[in-house]
Amino acid sequence: KNEVEQSPQNLTAQEGEFITINCSYSVGISALHWLQQHPGGGIVSLFMLSSGKKKHGRLIATINIQEKHSSLHITASHPRDSAVYICAVKTSGSRLTFGEGTQLTVNP
Amino acid sequence: ETGVTQSPTHLIKTRGQQVTLRCSSQSGHNTVSWYQQALGQGPQFIFQYYREEENGRGNFPPRFSGLQFPNYSSELNVNALELDDSALYLCASSLNGGLNYGYTFGSGTRLTVV
Repeated sequence: KNEVEQSPQNLTAQEGEFITINCSYSVGISALHWLQQHPGGGIVSLFMLSSGKKKHGRLIATINIQEKHSSLHITASHPRDSAVYICAVKTSGSRLTFGEGTQLTVNP
Repeated sequence: ETGVTQSPTHLIKTRGQQVTLRCSSQSGHNTVSWYQQALGQGPQFIFQYYREEENGRGNFPPRFSGLQFPNYSSELNVNALELDDSALYLCASSLNGGLNYGYTFGSGTRLTVV
């Protein structure tokens, strides 16, 4: 079992829909990251969370430390949101451990 | 403020050859970590360098080695390339291991071993 599990693996939505991507982890963490990866491969950091909730534009990220669970929400989704969304956790030490990503496709 | 630059962007090598990938860290960052991302999978941690010293390593064999320079740029070297080494190699820079301010990722080097 992976230390970081994401669901769903693939998600197709219509423009305007509300989207939720989930991340569960099984280890103690110091922070959780949500990242966006476009087809070219480059990764953009969206959020770093250690508790509570953060919002940036149409993106909202929440984390429940007791439940070891985080969610990324996208409101009013748009085709330009189509990308792979990756959850990664920072444990003690130096490394990030990544989930396998959620491929999001938003159709016009 | 510059971002993270990786070079080359694409590379094709033959099995058994050696390869060097390069990463320039974001201005002000002193830590560089390297990741291997196979197709359809999440990135896997290779190792991290902090102030020119390796300070963490993932489950990769010794033929994966690295270096960090005084300007905090970094190299990843892979010897005796195998077909399974074909992947996207990502580097990420951070300040003090990303403790407070997170990571900045490069666009990656796509390595194909034939």
